[in-house]
Amino acid sequence: GENVEQHPSTLSVQEGDSAVIKCTYSDSASNYFPWYKQELGKGPQLIIDIRSNVGEKKDQRIAVTLNKTAKHFSLHITETQPEDSAVYFCAASWEDDKIIFGKGTRLHILP
Amino acid sequence: KAGVTQTPRYLIKTRGQQVTLSCSPISGHRSVSWYQQTPGQGLQFLFEYFSETQRNKGNFPGRFSGRQFSNSRSEMNVSTLELGDSALYLCASSLRPGGENIQYFGAGTRLSVL
Repeated sequence: GENVEQHPSTLSVQEGDSAVIKCTYSDSASNYFPWYKQELGKGPQLIIDIRSNVGEKKDQRIAVTLNKTAKHFSLHITETQPEDSAVYFCAASWEDDKIIFGKGTRLHILP
Repeated sequence: KAGVTQTPRYLIKTRGQQVTLSCSPISGHRSVSWYQQTPGQGLQFLFEYFSETQRNKGNFPGRFSGRQFSNSRSEMNVSTLELGDSALYLCASSLRPGGENIQYFGAGTRLSVL
């Protein structure tokens, strides 16, 4: 069945440095790839998404890249700040099919 | 605009009991999805409802069921609770059904089964 693998499961980064989280998906028909951020005690919230007709998308300090041939996509956070500490989930979906989430990456920003 | 509201926030049950969780979507959103979140498995899709009909279902046993009302509010029921059902249950609403639409999550209901 469909599967989304996410790495690493935990990531510690010095404040100001960059963080990269990587995901691979199994269903080649997937064409929508959102990233969600979950802060303590809250539900996940969409932070950026990308569709299969686009290779890269940027929004201020966060960017997502997509390689459809290799079936992987990545989240890049530059100039990390304490408020970036959270759990990040990647996901993949196809048209009106259900969305499949990765298992999450816990990001720690070290002072 | 009010966000997705889930009640109750916390629940403690014992094995064998059943439980009902409630979700009120964002006003105007007609699609509601349910997820189970556990530390080891991340977010696992349970089911999606749109216009009172179940559109998609994840790989969970029949003890997990749900429904949606005409006002788009949704409930999820788990019967014959097992210890492994302890988890955070998240509800998400979207304007339209399908994974391509932005999902807005509630804060979840944390269920503990003793």
